[in-house]
Amino acid sequence: AQSVAQPEDQVNVAEGNPLTVKCTYSVSGNPYLFWYVQYPNRGLQFLLKYITGDNLVKGSYGFEAEFNKSQTSFHLKKPSALVSDSALYFCAVSPEGDGYSTLTFGKGTMLLVSP
Amino acid sequence: DAGITQSPRHKVTETGTPVTLRCHQTENHRYMYWYRQDPGHGLRLIHYSYGVKDTDKGEVSDGYSVSRSKTEDFLLTLESATSSQTSVYFCAISEEGARGNTIYFGEGSWLTVV
Repeated sequence: AQSVAQPEDQVNVAEGNPLTVKCTYSVSGNPYLFWYVQYPNRGLQFLLKYITGDNLVKGSYGFEAEFNKSQTSFHLKKPSALVSDSALYFCAVSPEGDGYSTLTFGKGTMLLVSP
Repeated sequence: DAGITQSPRHKVTETGTPVTLRCHQTENHRYMYWYRQDPGHGLRLIHYSYGVKDTDKGEVSDGYSVSRSKTEDFLLTLESATSSQTSVYFCAISEEGARGNTIYFGEGSWLTVV
């Protein structure tokens, strides 16, 4: 069975500084990896995904994520944080292969960007 | 927005009563999902559907049933609500299955069981 770990419940960063939200995964075979963001009292919004190809994936709102197969990681990054980036971030994984498989989510990391 | 409407958005109900949450999509996507979100657990899959009348269980399906009689509608029913089912419920859709396909979420239904 696949699993996702987001080791930090909360990440604090000052506006203008780079940010990293960590994610590691466990899956049989090659992974499909996703990042979602959730603002208060809203649904999850898709940010970016890794399917295959370039290990650096660019997504919405200036976010990017780097796939590292040897470390089984898919960390979310942004060069310069904004206060409006403050939200709950979820990493998710599904395995490559035939047939249907569910998307498994991590527990989420709260990002707080201070002015 | 992904063209997903959940109703009701907020509901308070009593223990032991039946509750039905509705999800309606305008995207004509084949797959529909119900997740619940709880602090410390992230999102957990309850049930999903891969077509009209085709459904399957997820990770936390006990106490829940679903139905899909039309492509656009996916109903989640709590036959006899319990306090442990107090949660935020999210409907989601995708064109095809979870392998590599983006899943889009609705705005959520807040359910409180007292």
